[in-house]
Amino acid sequence: IAGITQAPTSQILAAGRRMTLRCTQDMRHNAMYWYRQDLGLGLRLIHYSNTAGTTGKGEVPDGYSVSRANTDDFPLTLASAVPSQTSVYFCASSDRGTGDDTQYFGPGTRLTVL
Amino acid sequence: QKEVEQNSGPLSVPEGAIASLNCTYSDRVSQSFFWYRQYSGKSPELIMSIYSNGDKEDGRFTAQLNKASQYVSLLIRDSQPSDSATYLCAVKKPVTRDMRFGAGTRLTVKP
Repeated sequence: IAGITQAPTSQILAAGRRMTLRCTQDMRHNAMYWYRQDLGLGLRLIHYSNTAGTTGKGEVPDGYSVSRANTDDFPLTLASAVPSQTSVYFCASSDRGTGDDTQYFGPGTRLTVL
Repeated sequence: QKEVEQNSGPLSVPEGAIASLNCTYSDRVSQSFFWYRQYSGKSPELIMSIYSNGDKEDGRFTAQLNKASQYVSLLIRDSQPSDSATYLCAVKKPVTRDMRFGAGTRLTVKP
């Protein structure tokens, strides 16, 4: 069981370019999340999805979009990247149906926007 | 005011000592609290969750919750160099059930 995988591991991107970060989980969790982690600011929620077909905005959603076409995949898209989006991005998932709701994290994607 | 606050550290303790990590939160109706450990360059991993006032022990780790004071802490007994990491406090918001994380406390355990 792989758990949560993210791709790419790291990326350097020119400002203004479009970029999609991929996230796949094999735990059949209903909820998935995208966070960014910046030094001194901790993890901040970008978008989330409680179940396939639904998405919601987190603390810092501007400049990002997500989709949840199925249970396993939750891609994060930067339509036109800006340098302030340089960060480490973590995808996470949880099983809200059990009541435990512990979030499990992927290995992260380090994104640099120049 | 940040929703979840932690001392950024670094906190340095000698091997074998007790490390005490503290966290305060602003939303009084929060019900679920978590401690994650994050090694440098790695993703966060859950250490403990706590939902009721008082202490919860798991091996060398003890989580303490005081809802009246809006305070949650993590004690690490017999600290080991392998405990050196950043510890993240997280609080689940009561309605949306989203998590809010503190900025983390960096712990160094010196041999």
